[in-house]
Amino acid sequence: AQTVTQSQPEMSVQEAETVTLSCTYDTSENNYYLFWYKQPPSRQMILVIRQEAYKQQNATENRFSVNFQKAAKSFSLKISDSQLGDTAMYFCAFMMRDSSYKLIFGSGTRLLVRP
Amino acid sequence: NAGVMQNPRHLVRRRGQEARLRCSPMKGHSHVYWYRQLPEEGLKFMVYLQKENIIDESGMPKERFSAEFPKEGPSILRIQQVVRGDSAAYFCASSPPNRQGNNEQFFGPGTRLTVL
Repeated sequence: AQTVTQSQPEMSVQEAETVTLSCTYDTSENNYYLFWYKQPPSRQMILVIRQEAYKQQNATENRFSVNFQKAAKSFSLKISDSQLGDTAMYFCAFMMRDSSYKLIFGSGTRLLVRP
Repeated sequence: NAGVMQNPRHLVRRRGQEARLRCSPMKGHSHVYWYRQLPEEGLKFMVYLQKENIIDESGMPKERFSAEFPKEGPSILRIQQVVRGDSAAYFCASSPPNRQGNNEQFFGPGTRLTVL
């Protein structure tokens, strides 16, 4: 069974600085997707960034980028120029390309951006 | 184009009562997923449905929980004889047919169930 591990329960960063959130996963499959979701206090789940496992190039979305290390099964999220609105829970998620395409989430990292 | 809608947003039930949670997927979406988030935890997959079919219910508790996605109307997650441990946020997500849109799942705002 696939598992997703986020080893940092809480992180803190100064506004305008850069922070990296860690995520590792375990799978024997070769064809899958990885996601980072943001959950602000409103509890709405917001997709931040996605990565296809077959792509070697790391995904980037404005201030958000990932470091995808397939051999190491690592998928970290880097947030540059942190903003107060980035304060939220961040969840790493795994999706296998099978019959259901369900998401398997990690336990989350609570990020606080300090003014 | 309205997003995924869930109602009610908050639901309070006493132990032993039934809870019905509704999810209307985004227009044109034919895949519906239900996830449960216990306090201070990540989301856990419960069930995946297409119209009139349950495709994957590997995350559903064996008893008291059921889900449906009828041909017409919203998807329903039903919890019978609720217990305090059912208190959680229940999220619905939808995705378009034929795996368009890079498999992204669009989430609703969630229903927070509190069992007294």
